[in-house]
Amino acid sequence: AQKVTQAQTEISVVEKEDVTLDCVYETRDTTYYLFWYKQPPSGELVFLIRRNSFDEQNEISGRYSWNFQKSTSSFNFTITASQVVDSAVYFCALSEGDSNYQLIWGAGTKLIIKP
Amino acid sequence: DTGVSQNPRHKITKRGQNVTFRCDPISEHNRLYWYRQTLGQGPEFLTYFQNEAQLEKSRLLSDRFSAERPKGSFSTLEIQRTEQGDSAMYLCASSTSPHSGGSSYNEQFFGPGTRLTVL
Repeated sequence: AQKVTQAQTEISVVEKEDVTLDCVYETRDTTYYLFWYKQPPSGELVFLIRRNSFDEQNEISGRYSWNFQKSTSSFNFTITASQVVDSAVYFCALSEGDSNYQLIWGAGTKLIIKP
Repeated sequence: DTGVSQNPRHKITKRGQNVTFRCDPISEHNRLYWYRQTLGQGPEFLTYFQNEAQLEKSRLLSDRFSAERPKGSFSTLEIQRTEQGDSAMYLCASSTSPHSGGSSYNEQFFGPGTRLTVL
């Protein structure tokens, strides 16, 4: 069965600290996609990244980086030098197979960045 | 095109009333999705359309829920005889389909949601 686990319910750090959000997934498919979305207080989900199961290369985008490890079924997200504007709920999601119509979501991690 | 839009943004209704929400996707997107999100949880998939065809419905979608996309553009989600347990944020998203090509493959763009409160 497919499942996404975000064990960290809430994380609070002081501005400029680095923070890592954990995501562990379960799937039987060999082809799948992993996503991270950000949901700020305004409520609209904002796409951050998509990674397919055949590409384990880590990715960096500005202060954001993602570490995909199939061996541990993890797709962790790190924010370097955090800023107050990074405060939001972050969701990890999984989409299986080629049809890719349904996203299976984790429960989210609420990130609070204190000034 | 400014993205996915949803109306209304908020809806308060009494138990037993019917409500209808509208979603306007990004114009070139042929797929449209409905999700429901309750407080402190991730979104739950409800249903999706490719063009005007409804291709998948979650078991979460009871008989009181119906969704349409009559012309393959905007979609409506209707809830009949609302119950307090229906209170949630209803999210709409759109995307291209997997064989459309392009860098936005399978990326779902979300609207701001409609927050439903059933009293």
